[in-house]
Amino acid sequence: QTVVTQEPSFSVSPGGTVTLTCGLSSGSVSTSNYASWYQQTPGQAPRTLIYSTNTRSSGVPHRFSGSILGHKAALTITGAQADDESDYYCVLYMGSDWVFGGGTKLTVL
Amino acid sequence: QITLKESGPTLVKPTQTLTLTCTFSGFSLSTSGVAVGWIRQPPGKALEWLALIYWDDDKRYSPSLKSRLTITKDTSKNQVVLTMTNMDPVDTATYYCAHSPYYDRSFDIWGQGTVVTVSS
Repeated sequence: QTVVTQEPSFSVSPGGTVTLTCGLSSGSVSTSNYASWYQQTPGQAPRTLIYSTNTRSSGVPHRFSGSILGHKAALTITGAQADDESDYYCVLYMGSDWVFGGGTKLTVL
Repeated sequence: QITLKESGPTLVKPTQTLTLTCTFSGFSLSTSGVAVGWIRQPPGKALEWLALIYWDDDKRYSPSLKSRLTITKDTSKNQVVLTMTNMDPVDTATYYCAHSPYYDRSFDIWGQGTVVTVSS
């Protein structure tokens, strides 16, 4: 059973930079996993931020970027703002199914 | 503009079968490269992918839930239906459907979600 790992929580100061990661319990994440990232605030449906590893979804601010860092997918927020405080989820395509990570709760303070 | 909306019962009893409908607009599931997926989220927990159906009727299921899930589409009604058998209280969750372009394997547009509680 594939497990996708994310940091449970992270903290960043306003204006700071933070990188959240998305890894595999076994093996490395590559572009073939088509990593996508979603932002979710309480009571709301997820909002797509990044797809295909590094493509920003329409309307998403440029401070959000996606990449592969080492053997993981990564979401970097450059110049964090107060309203970036949310839960962030990645999902990886595993060839015939998808697996979500456990999510990262980002605090901006 | 693509929109999706989930509908179905808010309360089901243990062992019953859940049937959820995703009604969408702004795209056709007969168009090459289009898919619709289902994802759920138990209260306070992470998202979990359940199933997906492609324009060509190819279907994909979560390996851990495959025996309990069935996904179908009605192209003429712009609907996708998910059934889950033998419901248990641990299946209590918000269930989302989402548009999924084949070319990027993402879930780019989500419905608002529907809350399903499993309780006797």
